[in-house]
Amino acid sequence: GAGVSQSPRYKVAKRGQDVALRCDPISGHVSLFWYQQALGQGPEFLTYFQNEAQLDKSGLPSDRFFAERPEGSVSTLKIQRTQQEDSAVYLCASSYLGDYGYTFGSGTRLTVV
Amino acid sequence: AQSVTQPDIHITVSEGASLELRCNYSYGATPYLFWYVQSPGQGLQLLLKYFSGDTLVQGIKGFEAEFKRSQSSFNLRKPSVHWSDAAEYFCAVGAGNNRKLIWGLGTSLAVNP
Repeated sequence: GAGVSQSPRYKVAKRGQDVALRCDPISGHVSLFWYQQALGQGPEFLTYFQNEAQLDKSGLPSDRFFAERPEGSVSTLKIQRTQQEDSAVYLCASSYLGDYGYTFGSGTRLTVV
Repeated sequence: AQSVTQPDIHITVSEGASLELRCNYSYGATPYLFWYVQSPGQGLQLLLKYFSGDTLVQGIKGFEAEFKRSQSSFNLRKPSVHWSDAAEYFCAVGAGNNRKLIWGLGTSLAVNP
């Protein structure tokens, strides 16, 4: 596609529910990043993929967070047993390998109630 | 550790006035520096970036930024602000081989008519 597509745009989850957030990067972009942006904050790095390989997951805040990119294209960020502190906008970005020329998606706003 | 500081949380300027948004970074090596803009409900858009060379870089929408190594700063400027420039502005530094970004907390810009 022409841009990075994220779905859903908005997600309301009850505390304890599992959620899955989808990112469809630009075709041909090898690198894919997930960031978490809490209200009033800058984005915080979560994880990085190069093709299907998850090369850095140092930013995942707990073992309830899991990301995958099985075929090196679409990626899913899964959050198990959601907590209120997980409420944030989750941003996906993609780029060519070794390139800082990120393209960001519009994000998924997750609200845990 | 790498970090980015944006000292001004919120700035208000009058339309047509000049603008300077401050950014200071902490990074051991030569930094890759970025300014992004985020409008409500929109994804992050790259305004400009500095990798090397000329320390004054030009970006989109009439913005420019100057890299000053001695001050560890990368301030964003615009000579004449338009009402449409009202948004959140983020400074970021590139870190590591995976090209992840470390972000400031952002500066919210309001423009008075």
